[in-house]
Amino acid sequence: GEQVEQRPPHLSVREGDSAVITCTYTDPNSYYFFWYKQEPGASLQLLMKVFSSTEINEGQGFTVLLNKKDKRLSLNLTAAHPGDSAAYFCAVSADTNAYKVIFGKGTHLHVLP
Amino acid sequence: DMKVTQMPRYLIKRMGENVLLECGQDMSHETMYWYRQDPGLGLQLIYISYDVDSNSEGDIPKGYRVSRKKREHFSLILDSAKTNQTSVYFCASSLRQARQDTQYFGPGTRLLVL
Repeated sequence: GEQVEQRPPHLSVREGDSAVITCTYTDPNSYYFFWYKQEPGASLQLLMKVFSSTEINEGQGFTVLLNKKDKRLSLNLTAAHPGDSAAYFCAVSADTNAYKVIFGKGTHLHVLP
Repeated sequence: DMKVTQMPRYLIKRMGENVLLECGQDMSHETMYWYRQDPGLGLQLIYISYDVDSNSEGDIPKGYRVSRKKREHFSLILDSAKTNQTSVYFCASSLRQARQDTQYFGPGTRLLVL
């Protein structure tokens, strides 16, 4: 079945620097991709949902890149600020797993002032 | 305001006691989920419910059971809790079981089994 590997597990950057979190997946039939943000002590909130047809997806202060050839999904936070400090989870939904998404193990991002 | 609620938010139980975790959603979502979250392991799916009385095991169902008698409520039951069930439990819901549906998460229940 689908496997999702997320890297790095921990990431520290200085305020204003960029931060990149990457997920690789195995199922070539993966069609939907999600990034969730979890602030300390809080629940998961959807950051962005990405469809397989779009390679570059821009949000507020971040960009999600999808490389289907390499089966890689990345979250790029540009000019990180302390409010970005949180855990980030990718999730992948494949054709063979219609009823569930597979989550990465998460990345704990710490933005130093 | 779309919302998933969980009760209780914090719970301490002794080994062998029964535990009931409740989840509610006000979005008329068909599908509901129970996950547990442990450091370094991310989210692990315990059970999924497609609708009332239509439940399926997830990846780690052992030691848990669920009940869904109304579409808006989904309960997780631990019969005779074990210390290794200490964790943070999240409930989530999605509109249908379609693969593109976003999951909406509740605030979590922090369970400590002594």
